[in-house]
Amino acid sequence: AQSVTQPDIHITVSEGASLELRCNYSYGATPYLFWYVQSPGQGLQLLLKYFSGDTLVQGIKGFEAEFKRSQSSFNLRKPSVHWSDAAEYFCAVGAYTGNQFYFGTGTSLTVIP
Amino acid sequence: EADIYQTPRYLVIGTGKKITLECSQTMGHDKMYWYQQDPGMELHLIHYSYGVNSTEKGDLSSESTVSRIRTEHFPLTLESARPSHTSQYLCASSDSAKANIQYFGAGTRLSVL
Repeated sequence: AQSVTQPDIHITVSEGASLELRCNYSYGATPYLFWYVQSPGQGLQLLLKYFSGDTLVQGIKGFEAEFKRSQSSFNLRKPSVHWSDAAEYFCAVGAYTGNQFYFGTGTSLTVIP
Repeated sequence: EADIYQTPRYLVIGTGKKITLECSQTMGHDKMYWYQQDPGMELHLIHYSYGVNSTEKGDLSSESTVSRIRTEHFPLTLESARPSHTSQYLCASSDSAKANIQYFGAGTRLSVL
């Protein structure tokens, strides 16, 4: 079965601290992996994606993610969090030519001064 | 970034009313999608379209219907709204020639009283 697990429902970090959001997936084919961010009352904005090649991918807003096939993981990281990063983060997996994206339940990030 | 627009952003309506949620994209994407999003839950695909006059139901059963008579337009209709339809509805589009990366609108938050 295809699924995405984000084990952390909510994370609180101090501004300037580093951040890692976890994502594990189960997918029967070659996975294409995505991280999206959703600010309150908004739609989802694409942060970064992994299709193939270098397993460390860079995204917008200073985010990066590392694909680890052996662990079926695609964790999102940021070295220094800004207050504006407070939002909901969703990991998703899909196929290159498919229609279905499978989303995790999201991780809500709070940033404290 | 795709330009994808959803209207209305917020809608409060009484039980039994017919409603149509609008979604338009200006990027010429061939595929379009409707997701339902509830707090703390993953996004669930309710409808998608490969192109004009092509629509399919997603994994989550929905009483809504969709149509695609123009490439850029993918409205969702509820013939008789019920309180169980209260949710956020997100529209997305993708280009099948560009890895089907999905781009999302800002969403419509629907409340049925």
